[in-house]
Order: sequence, then C-alpha cells, then structure tokens
Amino acid sequence: DGGITQSPKYLFRKEGQNVTLSCEQNLNHDAMYWYRQDPGQGLRLIYYSQIVNDFQKGDIAEGYSVSREKKESFPLTVTSAQKNPTAFYLCASSISSGQGHEQYFGPGTRLTVT
Amino acid sequence: AQRVTQPEKLLSVFKGAPVELKCNYSYSGSPELFWYVQYSRQRLQLLLRHISRESIKGFTADLNKGETSFHLKKPFAQEEDSAMYYCALSGRGGGSNYKLTFGKGTLLTVNP
Repeated sequence: DGGITQSPKYLFRKEGQNVTLSCEQNLNHDAMYWYRQDPGQGLRLIYYSQIVNDFQKGDIAEGYSVSREKKESFPLTVTSAQKNPTAFYLCASSISSGQGHEQYFGPGTRLTVT
Repeated sequence: AQRVTQPEKLLSVFKGAPVELKCNYSYSGSPELFWYVQYSRQRLQLLLRHISRESIKGFTADLNKGETSFHLKKPFAQEEDSAMYYCALSGRGGGSNYKLTFGKGTLLTVNP
C-alpha cells in the first residue's frame, strides 16, 4: 500500500514534555512538509525539507524541530517551548519542491497537550 | 510575500444550485494556483490546478490575473461535494518561493 503515513492518530501529552510525531512515505518523493491545521486558520507550514539532510523553517517553526536522515522519514518534534501545541498536524510529500508539484497528505495526528 | 484569501468560512447551498467558492491571492509574479479538498474523514487531496485547465468532479477554476482571483465553480452542486475547500498558491523563483501558501478554507455544505 503506497502513500504517506502518520502515527499515531491521536497523541496525548502533559505540558512540558517533548513529543515526536512520525511521518513516513514510500512514494520516493524528495520533498516533505509539516503543517499545522487549526480551526479557522487553514494550514500553516512548520518545516519543509527539499532533500535528505536538509530542511528549512516554514512560517511557524518556533517550538518545533525536525530531522531528515532518510528520504522516507521526516519526524517532527513538538518541544516544550511551543506555546500552543494542541493541534492537528499534517505531513505531506511531493516529488520535488518545484512549483506546481502536487503535495500528497497523510491522515494527520491530533495532538492534545494538557 | 504571498497571501491567499478565502473570504467565506462557510458556504451553504441546495443540491442542484450553482456554487462558487472565492479565492483571491497576492503575489508579485506568476503564481501557480491550486484547489485542495478535504472530505469528511478523508485526507486532504488535490482537486485541481490552474495549469491543467481540467474539470474535476464538475468543478472548474479560472485564473484571473487582473482580479488576482482563482474562484472555484460548479454549475450544479451535489451533496457529495460537501467538504472543506482550500485554495493554495505556489510562487516561482526557487527556494522557499515554491512552498504552498494556503487560504483559511471554506466549508461547503450542500443541502438536500
């Protein structure tokens, strides 16, 4: 089954704890992305990676970190420095980061921090 | 800076009625525009992009550079069209300009 997967579907954490969200793709895509989706806010880009071992900050990177050690994987860590971590997180990939390439989205992870 | 505005958070129409979801953008150059759709309990997925000039599921969208708009239209709405619709823009020039900027979305409800 090809595509992009995220785990877990739901995640609960206590305030002050770091948490890592998983994103894996078997589409052989070079580019991967992390978005945050909040009601009424649309999708906002957190981080993106155009190629292995390289990534750039998006529009709301503060309090988040990523790594891209393998082409298939792009985990996102929500650190305790993120002031409003409770949200729905979407991972996406595209064949490359050039203009016009369709992004394929994962099913998302809903993170709740209390 | 690139920006996408979807002025309607909610849009409700009756089955068989025409529907238009508005999208305006701000970008100094030639952007690429997309419509993404998220049906209930499904993943966000591409509906259409302006360069392909396709009609997908009866939807069309025309890029109007003069009005900087990319409105999504369908002449006869169906109940299965009920979903969240996002307009998105990708710039040119390499690097971070290629990233997608999304609007805040419009929730379309088609009533029977």
